[in-house]
Amino acid sequence: QVQLQESGPGLVRPSETLFLTCTVSGGSVSSAYWNWMRQSPGKGLEWIGYIYYSSTTSFNPSLKSRLTMSVDTSKNQFSLRLSSVTAADTAVYYCARARGLFGVDYFDYWGQGILVTVSS
Amino acid sequence: DIQMTQSPSSLSASVGDRVTITCQASRDVNKYLNWYQQKPGKAPKVLIYDASNLETGVPSRFSGSGSGTDFILTISSLQPEDIATYYCQQYDTLPVTFGGGTKVEIK
Repeated sequence: QVQLQESGPGLVRPSETLFLTCTVSGGSVSSAYWNWMRQSPGKGLEWIGYIYYSSTTSFNPSLKSRLTMSVDTSKNQFSLRLSSVTAADTAVYYCARARGLFGVDYFDYWGQGILVTVSS
Repeated sequence: DIQMTQSPSSLSASVGDRVTITCQASRDVNKYLNWYQQKPGKAPKVLIYDASNLETGVPSRFSGSGSGTDFILTISSLQPEDIATYYCQQYDTLPVTFGGGTKVEIK
């Protein structure tokens, strides 16, 4: 059974960088596409992007200029960095595994989610 | 971006009722449409992928249909544990986009 767990700070100051890590257990980070989503009351569910173990990435154009993703196969983890955050980035952030060939076909395993608040 | 519009935004039905939720895409998404169930405080859970395929372990009272721009999620006999918000999601064209959700309650 694949399990995902997000970790990172729950509070980030405006204009700083949000950094989250997702740790994968029960499976290998080298075997699938790994996605990030976020959910806020104002914007609903939003796809952020994905990374493959080879470091191939695809990002939502709305966030692309501020976004970096990385994967650490030795730790079975992948990470997200979102720079220059504002209050609009306040959300529950989820990591998820994608099934299928396109990297985003459907998301069959999700982390429990982590609430990130952007506030001074 | 492809806009996904769900209706209704909320509904109230009795246990045993047949429930239908619709999802309309702003452009043709072929069959690349998935349905998720989300309970309060939990991550979404996939129910249906590629419009009509039931994910392993999901009760057979859930079914999906449609293609192109119009899709339907059906719960054939609503159960108390089905109380949740349901979302559609397209992956025909990046960025992936989700519908606004349909909240299902028991009458």
